[in-house]
Amino acid sequence: AQSVTQLGSHVSVSEGALVLLRCNYSSSVPPYLFWYVQYPNQGLQLLLKYTSAATLVKGINGFEAEFKKSETSFHLTKPSAHMSDAAEYFCAVKSTSGTYKYIFGTGTRLKVLA
Amino acid sequence: DTGVSQDPRHKITKRGQNVTFRCDPISEHNRLYWYRQTLGQGPEFLTYFQNEAQLEKSRLLSDRFSAERPKGSFSTLEIQRTEQGDSAMYLCASSLNGAGEAETQYFGPGTRLLVL
Repeated sequence: AQSVTQLGSHVSVSEGALVLLRCNYSSSVPPYLFWYVQYPNQGLQLLLKYTSAATLVKGINGFEAEFKKSETSFHLTKPSAHMSDAAEYFCAVKSTSGTYKYIFGTGTRLKVLA
Repeated sequence: DTGVSQDPRHKITKRGQNVTFRCDPISEHNRLYWYRQTLGQGPEFLTYFQNEAQLEKSRLLSDRFSAERPKGSFSTLEIQRTEQGDSAMYLCASSLNGAGEAETQYFGPGTRLLVL
């Protein structure tokens, strides 16, 4: 069975500091991995996705994530936080075969301090 | 492209009542998903449609929940005999087949249900 674990339900960073949001996955087959962002009272928006083409994936708004098979991780980073990055971030996994189901983590709420 | 829309945005109902939610996907999208999201949790998969066919349902989905997508366009999610535990945000997402199995899902704003 597949699952994702997001370490840290709340993360605070100063404006201009590095953002690091952690995601570890469990999957018996190579998965597809995703990061989504959710602003208050809005639906989720895709930031980036890993589909086995390249281990370092660049997304929107300056975010990127690196797939590390040996660590079963797909951490999200951004070199310099902006106030507008404050939101909730979700990591998700989807099997490459046998199901259409996406499994989401419990989310990490990012707070950016001025 | 007006995005995915959901109606209503909020619904308050009494326990035991039936409720129905509507999702209008992006017009050319043939894939449609329903999710449930409770406070402090990520979205939980409920069901998936490809065109009008319901191809996958969560085993967690009780018999009180039913979803349809007639003609492969809009979709409805009905909850019968609502319970307080059904209180949640119900999210709809759509996507376009043709990008392999990792297509981008576009989410609607959700319907927030409160069961009293």
